[in-house]
Amino acid sequence: ELKVEQNPLFLSMQEGKNYTIYCNYSTTSDRLYWYRQDPGKSLESLFVLLSNGAVKQEGRLMASLDTKARLSTLHITAAVHDLSATYFCAVVNYGGSQGNLIFGKGTKLSVKP
Amino acid sequence: NAGVTQTPKFRIPKIGQSMTLQCTQDMNHNYMYWYRQDPGMGLKLIYYSVGAGITDKGEVPNGYNVSRSTTEDFPLRLELAAPSQTSVYFCASRSGGGTEAFFGQGTRLTVV
Repeated sequence: ELKVEQNPLFLSMQEGKNYTIYCNYSTTSDRLYWYRQDPGKSLESLFVLLSNGAVKQEGRLMASLDTKARLSTLHITAAVHDLSATYFCAVVNYGGSQGNLIFGKGTKLSVKP
Repeated sequence: NAGVTQTPKFRIPKIGQSMTLQCTQDMNHNYMYWYRQDPGMGLKLIYYSVGAGITDKGEVPNGYNVSRSTTEDFPLRLELAAPSQTSVYFCASRSGGGTEAFFGQGTRLTVV
């Protein structure tokens, strides 16, 4: 059974600081997604990571994937208040329930001035 | 430019009522998913489908049913609404390639 774990679950940052969110998963996969969710809204796609060593950057966010370690990171550089949201990683399962898409519990990020 | 469309946006069924949440996508995606999200929590997979005529259970399927008679539609049925099913429901779809999974706007369900 595929399990996806994110940490931390809550993150309070000051503006201008850097931090990393971690996403570990338990079975083989080479397809990992990062999403952002604002309160009361749907999920907005941030990154799709498709292969070992993939790195993608958009603004102050950078995501990477290490399929051998079964680990993805979402790095935040010089945080600003607008980045306050909940961030989810999700992994496509290539094991017994092939094709299903399992989410981590999310990291609630609060960026304070 | 519709993407994934969910209807209704809000619903307040009584305990024991049956109802169907609709989900339609116009991107010819093979994979479709139903999730529920309880307040302050992550998304839990209810059911998913890898193509028309094929469905499978996710993490929390009890109390729900689905069908996939066409590529476009993936309705979620609650047979006997229960207070424990109060949640926000999201439908999503993706292609079999490397694109993202697209989400609908959600259905907020409150069972009274």
